[in-house]
Amino acid sequence: IAGITQAPTSQILAAGRRMTLRCTQDMRHNAMYWYRQDLGLGLRLIHYSNTAGTTGKGEVPDGYSVSRANTDDFPLTLASAVPSQTSVYFCASSSTGEGGYTFGSGTRLTVV
Amino acid sequence: KQEVTQIPAALSVPEGENLVLNCSFTDSAIYNLQWFRQDPGKGLTSLLLIQSSQREQTSGRLNASLDKSSGRSTLYIAASQPGDSATYLCAVPRDFNKFYFGSGTKLNVKP
Repeated sequence: IAGITQAPTSQILAAGRRMTLRCTQDMRHNAMYWYRQDLGLGLRLIHYSNTAGTTGKGEVPDGYSVSRANTDDFPLTLASAVPSQTSVYFCASSSTGEGGYTFGSGTRLTVV
Repeated sequence: KQEVTQIPAALSVPEGENLVLNCSFTDSAIYNLQWFRQDPGKGLTSLLLIQSSQREQTSGRLNASLDKSSGRSTLYIAASQPGDSATYLCAVPRDFNKFYFGSGTKLNVKP
């Protein structure tokens, strides 16, 4: 692995189902993030984690939950998917200080 | 709340032209500013990161400048190529390390 790995690459999900999007990084970055990208709305922050063991809410957290049990993994869970959660989801990471972001290649989720 | 605006929203140029993409932000108290490239259906690739203490960064044909006092950054692309066609996004920190993104400039370089 080099950078951030997201899985699955794409998924079609029935409304009401539970789904976990996976994100793993190998750069030992302390901070990780989940964004969703929608046409016309740009990138919006869902949840973030500044360090292992801590998480915080972003701009659009409702319907999503995250956990950060260790430095490398930051899964995003949709407890009961709804069609409005159809989007492309990006995981990102950064180091503390003045570092920039590194992004994963995204998960395209369609809720039907 | 930090607001990030990118102008133009779309740009189409013939191959070989030099071009400038603009990014403006409302809160000048930023740690850094980052430019990204996004190809259709793909993730974001970091192009340049300018720290708040810097005025510009260069990578190959790309040059990014930062003027915190006026709340502006520009991305200059020299001798554009069809492979430069993509959407270009700028991002500035909101809090310690959470970013606000502009809506992007979609660039099309025609052969």
